[in-house]
Amino acid sequence: ETGVTQTPRHLVMGMTNKKSLKCEQHLGHNAMYWYKQSAKKPLELMFVYNFKEQTENNSVPSRFSPECPNSSHLFLHLHTLQPEDSALYLCASSQDRSQETQYFGPGTRLLVL
Amino acid sequence: GIQVEQSPPDLILQEGANSTLRCNFSDSVNNLQWFHQNPWGQLINLFYIPSGTKQNGRLSATTVATERYSLLYISSSQTTDSGVYFCAVVTYSGGGADGLTFGKGTHLIIQP
Repeated sequence: ETGVTQTPRHLVMGMTNKKSLKCEQHLGHNAMYWYKQSAKKPLELMFVYNFKEQTENNSVPSRFSPECPNSSHLFLHLHTLQPEDSALYLCASSQDRSQETQYFGPGTRLLVL
Repeated sequence: GIQVEQSPPDLILQEGANSTLRCNFSDSVNNLQWFHQNPWGQLINLFYIPSGTKQNGRLSATTVATERYSLLYISSSQTTDSGVYFCAVVTYSGGGADGLTFGKGTHLIIQP
């Protein structure tokens, strides 16, 4: 248990569906992150939120839409995804500076048909 | 952006053996973490080590920041040590939160 939870753990969706991934942290952190892990590719950063403000968007397509209503919750809204978006989506949190340990959730394994 | 290279990409050892995993990075860093990813995808924190040496049981890590590399040592390997080990870094920035840049990982298999 890292103190970061993600739901759902597994998700299958069609290309025309809309779904949302949820992340919650119980560590009192102020920064939250979305990462993507595709087969045979390094983990790559998608978004960074610090004190609920988006501070980094790593050239992510607009079919991925993040939302951070408060410092404890982070969502990733998905719409009109492509099969190549199938991957493990990992959420992480840390305190508000880069020199802090990041703690990861268990991930959501997404399959787009 | 910063480059992170891990070696070896794959490593197969017998139970009880020792191993050394290496991480080279191309720029100065203010955050370096080692993770173990289990078969279910969970990233388990091993060390936060932007410089210096730390030990935790059979695992230890050393980062030589001036030479831009870090080493992860696993002694007396057990089958449960199998999995993928990742090194991840953050370069110096304006001070706010920054995402990690990951290496491609070392896939470790410990055979009984």
